[in-house]
Amino acid sequence: DAGITQSPRYKITETGRQVTLMCHQTWSHSYMFWYRQDLGHGLRLIYYSAAADITDKGEVPDGYVVSRSKTENFPLTLESATRSQTSVYFCASSESGVIEQFFGPGTRLTVL
Amino acid sequence: DQQVKQNSPSLSVQEGRISILNCDYTNSMFDYFLWYKKYPAEGPTFLISISSIKDKNEDGRFTVFLNKSAKHLSLHIVPSQPGDSAVYFCAATSNRDDKIIFGKGTRLHILP
Repeated sequence: DAGITQSPRYKITETGRQVTLMCHQTWSHSYMFWYRQDLGHGLRLIYYSAAADITDKGEVPDGYVVSRSKTENFPLTLESATRSQTSVYFCASSESGVIEQFFGPGTRLTVL
Repeated sequence: DQQVKQNSPSLSVQEGRISILNCDYTNSMFDYFLWYKKYPAEGPTFLISISSIKDKNEDGRFTVFLNKSAKHLSLHIVPSQPGDSAVYFCAATSNRDDKIIFGKGTRLHILP
């Protein structure tokens, strides 16, 4: 399917477990982003990538790891999940920077 | 410290009338301002943007106004339609980096 997809759409895990959220886009966009959306906080940038093999921290990077070996994929890993990481995670991509981003449908993650 | 503030969590407007969503910011280094729209269980979608060198940008029913001296921007929707019921996020970014700061969002209800 064309566009940007996220998997899984829903995930329940336990404190301390490692979990990886996947993001895949078919546009060959240079930029990709990860956000979390929490009640009372809106959207907060976790990490972003301007191109393959280039990543940088956003507003709330602690506890997360990213990689971008291929242009189309941008996985987000929680190395040791905590309850405070319970959130809805959105991946986004754009052709040239932050102005017009295309968002995926989101992954709802619950950490018990 | 919130750099982008949307002080109204929700707004109700009669169908056919004008909807005005407001946003304030604190960082004078922001170069671009954006509005995103989000429906439940979906990712945000880009709506409209404005450069800091302009004071108005229009796209169909949507107009964004920027008042740099007041560090304030607003999104006008005329006329409001039922499909406009959604959460609207204001966001800002600087040319210095690829980071973007979102406000907490305003939920717009269009009343029949």
